[in-house]
Amino acid sequence: EIVLTQSPGTLSLSPGERATLSCRASQSVSSSYLAWYQQKPGQAPRLLIYGASSRATGIPDRFSGSGSGTDFTLTISRLEPEDFAVYYCQQYGSSPVFTFGPGTKVDIK
Amino acid sequence: QITLKESGPTLVKPTQTLTLTCTFSGFSLSTSGVGVGWIRQPPGKALEWLALIYWNDDKRYSPSLKSRLTITKDTSKNQVVLTMTNMDPVDTATYYCALHSTVTTVFFDYWGQGTLVTVSS
Repeated sequence: EIVLTQSPGTLSLSPGERATLSCRASQSVSSSYLAWYQQKPGQAPRLLIYGASSRATGIPDRFSGSGSGTDFTLTISRLEPEDFAVYYCQQYGSSPVFTFGPGTKVDIK
Repeated sequence: QITLKESGPTLVKPTQTLTLTCTFSGFSLSTSGVGVGWIRQPPGKALEWLALIYWNDDKRYSPSLKSRLTITKDTSKNQVVLTMTNMDPVDTATYYCALHSTVTTVFFDYWGQGTLVTVSS
């Protein structure tokens, strides 16, 4: 069973700064099967990145994903006020079919 | 326009069985590659995938909860039903259903708003 670890747990930044979030898998994950979601309080998660680096429909280009194997990164180039949220990575595999990471909270410094 | 909406009880007692319904529109669960999944989130905690049903009635479950879960679909009604037996206070969470497709992103592209289920006597 693949376990996803995210770091840091909380990232305190100011608007305009760059955010770098990490997702590490306990076993190698195909890049095609790694995604990132954003979740704001009281809302359902929203798919940001799939296939490790492809932006979902309507996602601004300040969001980018990279990585392979066991190490993946979500980068927000310049934080906008609406980007302060919790971010989850997720993998799609065989068993279990889906695994989520514990999340990284990006809050305002 | 794709929408999903969860419905079911907001309060269940310990040991009872929870039945949740996901009613969707804008896609068909008889289309090849399409699936509907259930994900839950305890208050203040992370997301946890529970179950998934595919267009061909293939079903997948979280290994840790498999013995307690059953997922079914009614294609004619555009509904997916999740049952969870032997509910416990630790099962208190917001339960989401979401659209999955093996021919698009492979992940959960669309989500319902979620429904909060509290387990308490």
